Amino acid sequence: NAGVTQTPKFRILKIGQSMTLQCTQDMNHNYMYWYRQDPGMGLKLIYYSVGAGITDKGEVPNGYNVSRSTTEDFPLRLELAAPSQTSVYFCASSYSRVFTDTQYFGPGTRLTVL
Amino acid sequence: KQEVTQIPAALSVPEGENLVLNCSFTDSAIYNLQWFRQDPGKGLTSLLLIQSSQREQTSGRLNASLDKSSGRSTLYIAASQPGDSATYLCAPLLDAGNMLTFGGGTRLMVKP
Repeated sequence: NAGVTQTPKFRILKIGQSMTLQCTQDMNHNYMYWYRQDPGMGLKLIYYSVGAGITDKGEVPNGYNVSRSTTEDFPLRLELAAPSQTSVYFCASSYSRVFTDTQYFGPGTRLTVL
Repeated sequence: KQEVTQIPAALSVPEGENLVLNCSFTDSAIYNLQWFRQDPGKGLTSLLLIQSSQREQTSGRLNASLDKSSGRSTLYIAASQPGDSATYLCAPLLDAGNMLTFGGGTRLMVKP
């Protein structure tokens, strides 16, 4: 059981370039999330999705876009990369937000923008 | 806006000690609160999820308590081991939203 997988693990971008971070989960979870974690800090939510075709902004959405065409996949798009987007990006999923559910996290993508 | 603070930011202890990690949050209207563990260069692993109606949850040597009205949670680690060395993050979920708000974490080092 793979859980939540993310690709790539590492990436270096030049300012102004764009890229897509991939996230896939095989647990048939409805909810998926993208977080970023800056050094020494907690995680901040970028975008989340409550099901295929439905996305919503989190705390820090500027500079990012998402789509959710299938239950399994939730890619994060960076347009016009900036040094402020240097961070570690985590994708997570959960079956729902109610009661006993917990979020399962991928291993992260470490992105550097130079 | 929910603000989450974790104290201490870092902790170094000898093996065998009992530990208390603290988490405080400003908005007490939470649905539940999770404690996570993060190993260096890795993703997060959920340790304990405590519902707003509960006072505590236990898993092995870990015990999490929640005082919703005062906006506090503690994670108690009994008989610490070097394998417990990691960063511990708490994250409450607000009633009115879908977002976990994370604290900055407590970086724990347990020395043999």
